[in-house]
Amino acid sequence: QVQLQQSGPGLLKPSQTLSLTCAISGDSVSSNTVAWNWIRQSPSRGLEWLGRTYYRSKWYFDYAVSVKSRVTINPDTSKNQFSLQLNSVTPDDTAVYYCAAGWCRGGFHSWGQGTLVTVSS
Amino acid sequence: QSALTQPPSASGSPGQSVTISCTGTSSDVGGYNYVSWYQQNPGKAPKLIIYEVSKRPSGVPDRFSGSKAGNTASLTVSGLQTEDEADYYCSSNVDNHCVVFGGGTKLTVL
Repeated sequence: QVQLQQSGPGLLKPSQTLSLTCAISGDSVSSNTVAWNWIRQSPSRGLEWLGRTYYRSKWYFDYAVSVKSRVTINPDTSKNQFSLQLNSVTPDDTAVYYCAAGWCRGGFHSWGQGTLVTVSS
Repeated sequence: QSALTQPPSASGSPGQSVTISCTGTSSDVGGYNYVSWYQQNPGKAPKLIIYEVSKRPSGVPDRFSGSKAGNTASLTVSGLQTEDEADYYCSSNVDNHCVVFGGGTKLTVL
């Protein structure tokens, strides 16, 4: 059973960079059977998939069009975790951010506990 | 991508059945057999309860069932229990993207 533990700051000022980490237990970030995703939830946007990384002999990265110019997801094999970076945040990026394991087509079967990120001056 | 359309609320009495709809387009719900449903309790992460329209992950009671007709998917909860009171979200694979989610339905057990 995969377990995901999130960490990272919850309060940012506009224009700063959001950085969150998701530590994996029960599987490997380099597994070839799962993708590692970031999803956020806010009252204004609802649930929104942000991007994913997965390994199939090499690393693949996919990002939502809405954030593609500002987002980076990185795997860290030495720590068995993956991270989210979102640049130039605005108050519209205020949301609960989740990491999740699974596939776009097969559903996200394991979720982190969520991190409330507030962007405010 | 626009969110899938769900009714904001649904309700039923213990023991009854309730069905929640999720309406999309031919580019998402109607075009793929990749609809998932999630249950979310207050302050918690969503939990996957249905995937690929009608499949249940291990440990999910068979009171939860899913179906699809055209551009509309449905989640049916049979034999309602008080612990089923939660928010429910649908999602679908979508063209040129990963998934799009529904706006959520708050299920109240009367």
